[in-house]
Amino acid sequence: DGGITQSPKYLFRKEGQNVTLSCEQNLNHDAMYWYRQDPGQGLRLIYYSQIVNDFQKGDIAEGYSVSREKKESFPLTVTSAQKNPTAFYLCASGDSLNTEAFFGQGTRLTVV
Amino acid sequence: GQNIDQPTEMTATEGAIVQINCTYQTSGFNGLFWYQQHAGEAPTFLSYNVLDGLEEKGRFSSFLSRSKGYSYLLLKELQMKDSASYLCAVRDSNYQLIWGAGTKLIIKP
Repeated sequence: DGGITQSPKYLFRKEGQNVTLSCEQNLNHDAMYWYRQDPGQGLRLIYYSQIVNDFQKGDIAEGYSVSREKKESFPLTVTSAQKNPTAFYLCASGDSLNTEAFFGQGTRLTVV
Repeated sequence: GQNIDQPTEMTATEGAIVQINCTYQTSGFNGLFWYQQHAGEAPTFLSYNVLDGLEEKGRFSSFLSRSKGYSYLLLKELQMKDSASYLCAVRDSNYQLIWGAGTKLIIKP
């Protein structure tokens, strides 16, 4: 089945450690996005990519890094520089910036 | 700044109709989206409006007035499974999606 897969669903890490969240899609979408969702707030864009080997910072990119070496994959690394990393992270993809986004199941990251 | 406003929470009765409003102030407008999100799950696409008027899709309808910066999502014949958060998002002049905080809809029997 076509879709977007995020893994793992739950992730626990110690403070000061980097952690990488996986996002894979087999929808042949060009655009991919990473969002962060916190209680009582709208989704906030971390990074997005329109094509392979290119990506742009979103509104809250500090403390995060991404890569887009393959069309299907857009992993997000939460670095130790991110001050408040505990959140629900959502990956999404779309045909282009002009179309609706389809979301993965999300990864709930807890840093202790 | 850019802003999307929606009520934080609404309660409705099974079988009834509910309207969830969304007002927006954004840098440009290239479409408005409604998504449904069950707790702990991914948002799923419900509707898209780019022109003024009503878009109907089964039990769900979405309305847009660009001059008023206003949209609503209308849910008819409510079912218990409709209990979820409903997210309004606007695509701005840079084609970036600006998201509201979501409206948590509680359906009572």
